[in-house]
Amino acid sequence: DIQMTQSPSSLSASVGDRITINCRASQSVRNYLNWYQQQPGKAPNLLIYAASSLQSGVPSRFSGSGSGTDFTLTISSLQPEDFATYYCQQSYSAPRTFGQGTKVEIK
Amino acid sequence: EAQLVETGGGWIQPGGSLRLSCAVSGFTVSDNYMSWVRQAPGKGLEWVSVVYSGDITHYADSVKGRFAISRDNPKNTVYLQMNSLRAEDTAVYYCTREGTPKNDILTGYYSFDYWGQGTLVTVSS
Repeated sequence: DIQMTQSPSSLSASVGDRITINCRASQSVRNYLNWYQQQPGKAPNLLIYAASSLQSGVPSRFSGSGSGTDFTLTISSLQPEDFATYYCQQSYSAPRTFGQGTKVEIK
Repeated sequence: EAQLVETGGGWIQPGGSLRLSCAVSGFTVSDNYMSWVRQAPGKGLEWVSVVYSGDITHYADSVKGRFAISRDNPKNTVYLQMNSLRAEDTAVYYCTREGTPKNDILTGYYSFDYWGQGTLVTVSS
């Protein structure tokens, strides 16, 4: 199975900050990498697919980059509704695997 | 707009069985990859099982031999039959579609693009 490791596990930031979340795969997943946002008590919501493609309806302040084993999710200007937990997930091979999550908290 | 509605969760004793249902509207389950993903309390996301459009199924090692995924095409519903339940199966179970862009350069790039609201399964004595 491909292991996905996110860093940091949590971070504190202020509204307007630019933040980055990292995701590393245990082997190359090419660009078969997705990002999700999860608000407390809600289902995850797809933000980015194929490493850098923005899902329809997702604000442009979200962006993704990377290929192979190292990926990044960037939020260019943090908004109040962005405080949530973010997960990366590989779709290169079965079984699909997720990172452990990164919780973004208000500073 | 697509909608997925899970039902069937609840409290069950260890060793018991439960069947989860996922009623889908807005797309046809038989044409799509349908998965169950779970989340234990305070933990991350764990993929559990998938049924492909050709009726091929796969399971996480943690549930293999105990869980079974199936589809009822006329009802446009996906099921997860869970047997020999253990305390570690306690989680919110989400039904999700693994979709891909159609007729696009990114066709073949799959992601979990539609999710249900989740149903809580608690395994405890």
